[in-house]
Amino acid sequence: KAGVTQTPRYLIKTRGQQVTLSCSPISGHRSVSWYQQTPGQGLQFLFEYFSETQRNKGNFPGRFSGRQFSNSRSEMNVSTLELGDSALYLCASSASGTGGNTIYFGEGSWLTVV
Amino acid sequence: KNEVEQSPQNLTAQEGEFITINCSYSVGISALHWLQQHPGGGIVSLFMLSSGKKKHGRLIATINIQEKHSSLHITASHPRDSAVYICAVGKEGYGGSQGNLIFGKGTKLSVKP
Repeated sequence: KAGVTQTPRYLIKTRGQQVTLSCSPISGHRSVSWYQQTPGQGLQFLFEYFSETQRNKGNFPGRFSGRQFSNSRSEMNVSTLELGDSALYLCASSASGTGGNTIYFGEGSWLTVV
Repeated sequence: KNEVEQSPQNLTAQEGEFITINCSYSVGISALHWLQQHPGGGIVSLFMLSSGKKKHGRLIATINIQEKHSSLHITASHPRDSAVYICAVGKEGYGGSQGNLIFGKGTKLSVKP
């Protein structure tokens, strides 16, 4: 079956702009999480959605937001972009997110803010 | 101090060598994940452990819950094993969900032919 799909793969934005990233989970998976990866901080958890509800949120400012649709597809949005938002944004899905499920990651979206 | 510590940070090995990467954590966990990341960004989940030991091909992962320590072993290493290996823990109380995963900084492995 198809894996986790993230779009776009690469994008360049200007400071102050906003960006929306999309994630299509593996069919049947209801849990979608987002992560930010930078050379300095490594991988950090942004938020998790399950059945259209935000279940957990990491320690990021309110400029970072997300949502999940009824088909489990998810989007994350970053408003008022800052240079420090340049990072690889990864999406991951799992079947239910409970009891310990294998996590499947997408290839990521590389965001450069100039 | 980071809640998840990995060692070593960098590791260079010759093809065929036995490799061990260590992960120590300081929080209660519901599950521990070993992940592999190749250049280009994509991450693959290798193992998810809550106790004991798992084996998949040349890879073996163990966890000692009492000592809060896990190891990833690669037997008969090969240049294609060159990647960054990341340990991640799911904190207790999240039911093993992806919620609030905490990641180690990763171990960069380079296997020379």
